[in-house]
Amino acid sequence: DAGITQSPRHKVTETGTPVTLRCHQTENHRYMYWYRQDPGHGLRLIHYSYGVKDTDKGEVSDGYSVSRSKTEDFLLTLESATSSQTSVYFCAARTSGSYEQYFGPGTRLTVT
Amino acid sequence: SQQGEEDPQALSIQEGENATMNCSYKTSINNLQWYRQNSGRGLVHLILIRSNEREKHSGRLRVTLDTSKKSSSLLITASRAADTASYFCATALDRDDKIIFGKGTRLHILP
Repeated sequence: DAGITQSPRHKVTETGTPVTLRCHQTENHRYMYWYRQDPGHGLRLIHYSYGVKDTDKGEVSDGYSVSRSKTEDFLLTLESATSSQTSVYFCAARTSGSYEQYFGPGTRLTVT
Repeated sequence: SQQGEEDPQALSIQEGENATMNCSYKTSINNLQWYRQNSGRGLVHLILIRSNEREKHSGRLRVTLDTSKKSSSLLITASRAADTASYFCATALDRDDKIIFGKGTRLHILP
């Protein structure tokens, strides 16, 4: 996992509650990404960051926000969780000059 | 809609045979990558091919890229049980930091 951790690894929450997932990296990667993985859809990009405080939207950003106040941490927030956000969430990171991404182990989120 | 689409969605072959999976994409790219995902795990990078390259090898892996057809193929030779996994292509666009994945091919190696 090249020094990328995600927390929590599993979470069950109720519809309408806020949820924050954390991605932490120890390799000083500049770029960080959040994806969700669902059967039949593969991985879809939610948001990504190209530096501290620099973020942009991906393919499926509605209902999600992100923040990156430090190089090593990239937070994904579901402001008001919905059942359609039940998924496995993966964080990835890469350095400048290389497109090879390193992935975390994933967070399985269930919204009931 | 997603940039990359892998074909086939699922593939079962006998151990020792070669496995070929394909990826088609929609817009011009800077490079294309292939990743492997074992069940319940994160993705692992396998190989990257740049838009000005046509073929690349890494061990038992061979990747081709045809930019005129906007397609790539991944060949795994002499397959092993440990190759059972899902395989994804990912594209990086020119002047863009996004990396977009396809839906993946599930490969099952039969003993």
